[in-house]
Amino acid sequence: DQQVKQNSPSLSVQEGRISILNCDYTNSMFDYFLWYKKYPAEGPTFLISISSIKDKNEDGRFTVFLNKSAKHLSLHIVPSQPGDSAVYFCAASEGSSNTGKLIFGQGTTLQVKP
Amino acid sequence: DARVTQTPRHKVTEMGQEVTMRCQPILGHNTVFWYRQTMMQGLELLAYFRNRAPLDDSGMPKDRFSAEMPDATLATLKIQPSEPRDSAVYFCASGLITLMGAGGPENIQYFGAGTRLSVL
Repeated sequence: DQQVKQNSPSLSVQEGRISILNCDYTNSMFDYFLWYKKYPAEGPTFLISISSIKDKNEDGRFTVFLNKSAKHLSLHIVPSQPGDSAVYFCAASEGSSNTGKLIFGQGTTLQVKP
Repeated sequence: DARVTQTPRHKVTEMGQEVTMRCQPILGHNTVFWYRQTMMQGLELLAYFRNRAPLDDSGMPKDRFSAEMPDATLATLKIQPSEPRDSAVYFCASGLITLMGAGGPENIQYFGAGTRLSVL
């Protein structure tokens, strides 16, 4: 039972273009969502997050959009740079559980071509 | 520069041997998580601790995996006996999880670089 799904295993975009990574979830109790970036041979690092009380959060070139009715979130990277090539994980948490537990998706490998 | 430290970074062992992975969480963090990364499942949560007490280890195969936190600076994940299907990258993460009703920045977890385990 995969509560957080990233249906695209990989994505390839040209440098300077927009990268859009998608994530779907099934648990309506999730109220906080995060994106992590992972380079080879390193651990995932936190990138950006959004609370369920918002529908958009922006940090420089990175914007996360949340559509609660569709149980869908997306990460936009504009403009994409070769250094953005990495695996991106979407994660969700249920704040009311007070556990801090994150449920991760399978990851999407982004390749940004120069 | 606070970071989560995992040792060893790589481990190659033979089936049936015991494997111990270690994690030093960030000082002051109260929650430690163990994950396993596989191609099919992504990041699977194996177990986690709050203030050194185990909260949930339902993600672990009970017969061969065990997780402990002997003190605030050390968490261990042990596999005995190891099997080829245990080959994966194991990550430790820590966070300062506060008991807030709504999710927020306190849910950010900080990951170590992982232990790549190969069981032959």
